[in-house]
Parts: sequence; structure tokens; C-alpha cells
Amino acid sequence: DQQVKQNSPSLSVQEGRISILNCDYTNSMFDYFLWYKKYPAEGPTFLISISSIKDKNEDGRFTVFLNKSAKHLSLHIVPSQPGDSAVYFCAASDTGRRALTFGSGTRLQVQP
Amino acid sequence: NAGVMQNPRHLVRRRGQEARLRCSPMKGHSHVYWYRQLPEEGLKFMVYLQKENIIDESGMPKERFSAEFPKEGPSILRIQQVVRGDSAAYFCASSPPETGELFFGEGSRLTVL
Repeated sequence: DQQVKQNSPSLSVQEGRISILNCDYTNSMFDYFLWYKKYPAEGPTFLISISSIKDKNEDGRFTVFLNKSAKHLSLHIVPSQPGDSAVYFCAASDTGRRALTFGSGTRLQVQP
Repeated sequence: NAGVMQNPRHLVRRRGQEARLRCSPMKGHSHVYWYRQLPEEGLKFMVYLQKENIIDESGMPKERFSAEFPKEGPSILRIQQVVRGDSAAYFCASSPPETGELFFGEGSRLTVL
């Protein structure tokens, strides 16, 4: 039973355009959401997070939006750069359980 | 300030042997997590430990797998009698006491022949 779902296994965008990566969750107890970026043969690195008390968090070119009623979050990258090409994982946790639950990832390819 | 250190980075074992993967958390971090990534899949939670305590092992297979985080030394993920299906990348992460943000190591890639 996948509690965190990333339905798009891959996404390709042109350099300079916006990349939008989507994530859905089913567990209403989740109250903290994160995005991680992963290059081949490396560990995931933290990108940005959002608490359930907010609906938007911005950090430079990266913005995460949370729609609690739809149990949906998205990561916007603008402008996209070739160095952003990686696999992006959505993750969630609830206060009572620290361990993160990850989605299956979306492979982003930014074309120069 | 060293990050999460995992070793070995690559490990090859024959079926039936034992695999031991080690993880040293970041300085000041008292929480350790182990995740497994099978080829073409996402990260699956295995176990969450604090020093000398297993807090959540709901993702651990019931047999052959064990984990510890002793008072001194690294956390160890142990897989006994490995099978080909155990071939995967095993990632360790640590977090400080006050936040849930995980910092990952570079992973240990286990290949079972």
C-alpha cells in the first residue's frame, strides 16, 4: 500500500522553463513533507520541506505547494537548469513517527 | 564536518554468506535510519534506531535482517544468509534530535552472486 505516490516516473523540460513535479499522499496523519534530490550513485540530498500548517514554502528557484484537502503537493523549479537533472523523491512523515515515507521518484531531465 | 559515512560502498557476497553494512551518523545526530532501494524503485524504510534502542523496525524483513546502534561505534545492518533478492542499495540516514530532516549517506551497494 503506497502511502506516497509519484505517478510520473519521468519528466523532460527545456532549460529556462518551469519544472513541476507532483506527489499525492493517502495518510491523513502526515504533517511534514519534504523533497529530496538524488544523483546516480549518490545518496539523496534534502531540497525543501513544508509543514502542514503552511501551503507554500519558497527557497530560491524551488517552491513547494501543499494542498491538504486534495492530499497533494508539488515542487516547482523555475527556471530549470541542466544541473537540476536528477531523480526527485517526495517524502512525508507524521509527528508520532519520525521515519519518512518516500514516493517512488520522478526522473527529471532538463534539456539544454 | 563530516556527513553520514557508510561503508563499504560496494559489497559482493555469494548466496548464503553474511553481509554487514556500517553507518556512522553526522556529529551530534542521535537518530539513525536504514532504507533500501531496489533497482528502479524508491526508498523503502527498514528501521529507525537511537543509541542502544530500536525505535521502529516495521520495515525490516522478519528473518535474516537485524540492526543495531550500540553505545559506541557505528550502526550496523546485518543480513544473514543473503539471497539474490537482497541485492540493492542500502542507505543510512541520520537526523538531529529536534528535527525530522534526514541526512543521507552515499549508500552501500550489495550484490549477491
